[in-house]
Amino acid sequence: AQTVTQSQPEMSVQEAETVTLSCTYDTSENNYYLFWYKQPPSRQMILVIRQEAYKQQNATENRFSVNFQKAAKSFSLKISDSQLGDTAMYFCAFAETSGSRLTFGEGTQLTVNP
Amino acid sequence: NAGVTQTPKFQVLKTGQSMTLQCAQDMNHEYMSWYRQDPGMGLRLIHYSVGAGITDQGEVPNGYNVSRSTTEDFPLRLLSAAPSQTSVYFCASSYSYRAANTEAFFGQGTRLTVV
Repeated sequence: AQTVTQSQPEMSVQEAETVTLSCTYDTSENNYYLFWYKQPPSRQMILVIRQEAYKQQNATENRFSVNFQKAAKSFSLKISDSQLGDTAMYFCAFAETSGSRLTFGEGTQLTVNP
Repeated sequence: NAGVTQTPKFQVLKTGQSMTLQCAQDMNHEYMSWYRQDPGMGLRLIHYSVGAGITDQGEVPNGYNVSRSTTEDFPLRLLSAAPSQTSVYFCASSYSYRAANTEAFFGQGTRLTVV
């Protein structure tokens, strides 16, 4: 079974600064997908970024980028130029390419301070 | 452009009561699932369905039933509510049962309290 671990329950950052959220996972699969979801106070789950394991290039979406280290089974999220609207719970998630389910980490509560 | 609609948004139950959480999607997605979110535990899969008439258990299925009679609807039934089922429940759907290939769309959640 796959497991996903987020070791930082809470983090804070000043507006306009950069912050990195950590995620590690465990799997015996060689090909899979990794995701970061954002959950603001509204509770709505929003996909932030997605990475395919067979792609060595790190995914980027505007101010959001990942550092994917397949050998280390690490998948961190970097948020550049943090904005107040980035305040949210962030979840790392794993999916097998042939599977039907997402496995989520515990979540990291990020607070962006003015 | 409704997406995934969950009702109700909030509910308080007494121990032993039963209820159904409703979930409907209008995107013709074949895959639907239910998660519960608890502090420090992330989202855990309760049940899922890869198409109408097909359901299967996830990580934490005990105390819950599901059915999928249509592509659009995927209700979650609590048979006899217990305080341990106090949680926030999310319904999600995606185009393909291969979750990895497509984005999962989530409802806005139901906060359930069992007293």
